[in-house]
Amino acid sequence: DAGITQSPRHKVTETGTPVTLRCHQTENHRYMYWYRQDPGHGLRLIHYSYGVKDTDKGEVSDGYSVSRSKTEDFLLTLESATSSQTSVYFCAISLGGNTGELFFGEGSRLTVL
Amino acid sequence: DAKTTQPTSMDCAEGRAANLPCNHSTISGNEYVYWYRQIHSQGPQYIIHGLKNNETNEMASLIITEDRKSSTLILPHATLRDTAVYYCIALNNNDMRFGAGTRLTVKP
Repeated sequence: DAGITQSPRHKVTETGTPVTLRCHQTENHRYMYWYRQDPGHGLRLIHYSYGVKDTDKGEVSDGYSVSRSKTEDFLLTLESATSSQTSVYFCAISLGGNTGELFFGEGSRLTVL
Repeated sequence: DAKTTQPTSMDCAEGRAANLPCNHSTISGNEYVYWYRQIHSQGPQYIIHGLKNNETNEMASLIITEDRKSSTLILPHATLRDTAVYYCIALNNNDMRFGAGTRLTVKP
């Protein structure tokens, strides 16, 4: 199985503070994704990356930035967290060359007070 | 990507086949049909995908109609551990969008 580690797994922060979530993979998969999941909205794509320093926006990218300085790490940053960004965040990688077969991490639960 | 429509919820008896339908009437010729499931608060899990032909793997079978406007995911012998939300997605680029899915409850 592909190895994905998300950190932190749980975080509580205050409105206006910066937050960075990290997604680390142990294999050299090219595509990586950040999703958020909220009740009533299902999973929504925030940003994705198709290589080192190559990223693109997803459906709900406002208020988020990403960086990928090396293949194994994909960082999601909330520059100034808001209560509407309280959510569960999932990182995913695309296995092999098939970009539809995603392997998801265990999720990071973020609460913004 | 084409929009997909799935029933909100379904029940299935343990040991019986679970047949989960998905409507994707606006699917284009190069869009694949993907199925995922999500058990409780875990990350989604890939199940199977197909383009035109029926597909089978160790987890499930995927039946796609000839006109490709609908498909059915079949879990041949459902167990209690198959209780989950099942997502059907039509995809032809990197933006995989999950809808509300079908909540399948397998009952003893």
